[in-house]
Amino acid sequence: TQLLEQSPQFLSIQEGENLTVYCNSSSVFSSLQWYRQEPGEGPVLLVTVVTGGEVKKLKRLTFQFGDARKDSSLHITAAQPGDTGLYLCAGARGTASKLTFGTGTRLQVTL
Amino acid sequence: DTAVSQTPKYLVTQMGNDKSIKCEQNLGHDTMYWYKQDSKKFLKIMFSYNNKELIINETVPNRFSPKSPDKAHLNLHINSLELGDSAVYFCASSQPGTAQLKNTQYFGPGTRLTVL
Repeated sequence: TQLLEQSPQFLSIQEGENLTVYCNSSSVFSSLQWYRQEPGEGPVLLVTVVTGGEVKKLKRLTFQFGDARKDSSLHITAAQPGDTGLYLCAGARGTASKLTFGTGTRLQVTL
Repeated sequence: DTAVSQTPKYLVTQMGNDKSIKCEQNLGHDTMYWYKQDSKKFLKIMFSYNNKELIINETVPNRFSPKSPDKAHLNLHINSLELGDSAVYFCASSQPGTAQLKNTQYFGPGTRLTVL
């Protein structure tokens, strides 16, 4: 199975701290996406990475795709309460539209 | 304007009943999906339709039957509901095109199904 394991599973930090979420697999993916899901809503796309070693920045969020395209990380600098939510990585293989979602990381940022 | 909408938002029903969830997207996308998110927040694909044609059918009990009357709608009918069916069901759509665009999923707000 193309399991995507995320770590940590839960993370509770204070405003201003930095954090990194990891998404790991033994399978190679043609692209990898990160979504954020807030309570009572559906996941919303944050970023897509397609090239091994690629780094993308979205304000205080930095995403990296592993060189071998089997893993990815999400780093948040100076976390804010608005960053609270469930972060999901999702991988695609080849040209198929099917996504395999990761196990999720629940982030809580408190004042 | 809501891009992907689902009804109902909440559904509470007795074991053994039959229920339907409706989904509509106004994004002009060709591909639509149904996902199930369990209590541990794990999101798993159930079905996918491309322009009314079934293209993905994961290992889902045949009590679940998707129906796509047109490419903007994908409904999910569930027969003989069981306790284990309790979950949040998400509809999503995507647009074929470049690899990146094809894989970007636009999700509805979810339907929380509780089977008693």
